Amino acid sequence: SQTIHQWPATLVQPVGSPLSLECTVEGTSNPNLYWYRQAAGRGLQLLFYSVGIGQISSEVPQNLSASRPQDRQFILSSKKLLLSDSGFYLCAWNRELHSPLHFGNGTRLTVT
Amino acid sequence: GQNIDQPTEMTATEGAIVQINCTYQTSGFNGLFWYQQHAGEAPTFLSYNVLDGLEEKGRFSSFLSRSKGYSYLLLKELQMKDSASYLCAVMDSNYQLIWGAGTKLIIKP
Repeated sequence: SQTIHQWPATLVQPVGSPLSLECTVEGTSNPNLYWYRQAAGRGLQLLFYSVGIGQISSEVPQNLSASRPQDRQFILSSKKLLLSDSGFYLCAWNRELHSPLHFGNGTRLTVT
Repeated sequence: GQNIDQPTEMTATEGAIVQINCTYQTSGFNGLFWYQQHAGEAPTFLSYNVLDGLEEKGRFSSFLSRSKGYSYLLLKELQMKDSASYLCAVMDSNYQLIWGAGTKLIIKP
């Protein structure tokens, strides 16, 4: 069966510090991978998605970036965090674009 | 613009039935999803509708009317563990998911 791992679960970082969140999927090959952010009381916001190694699409302009160095690995990064980057970050995967998403457990990021 | 509307919060009694509505306006339609999200946790997939009608999965059912841009999630025999947020999401013509803000369901004993 397929599983998705996302870490860390919680993170407190000062403004201006770098960020690296990692996500890996097991039990499948060539998954579509996604990074979402969820702010309180708002819908999920798609940040990045990838349909293959090295292929990254960005949905919103921001100081975040994403990379896919391996087929089942997806990394969310920032060089300098802003207060507004605080939120609940979710990695997700699906097999086909119209398939349901399967989410990792999420990372609660607090920028202080 | 694209928009998903669902009630912010609903309250129901254990053992009862509750219907959570979702209306949408999107650029094209490639299916509607319902997810359950417990507080502090990730969303989990509940149901998918792409054709009009009712899809039943145990205590949960989901209905779709494409002509009306409308869906509902029906939860029967409510249990305390059903207290969660329920997210409606529509896939547009570009296979992008448009998400509602979610409906927080509170179950009272």
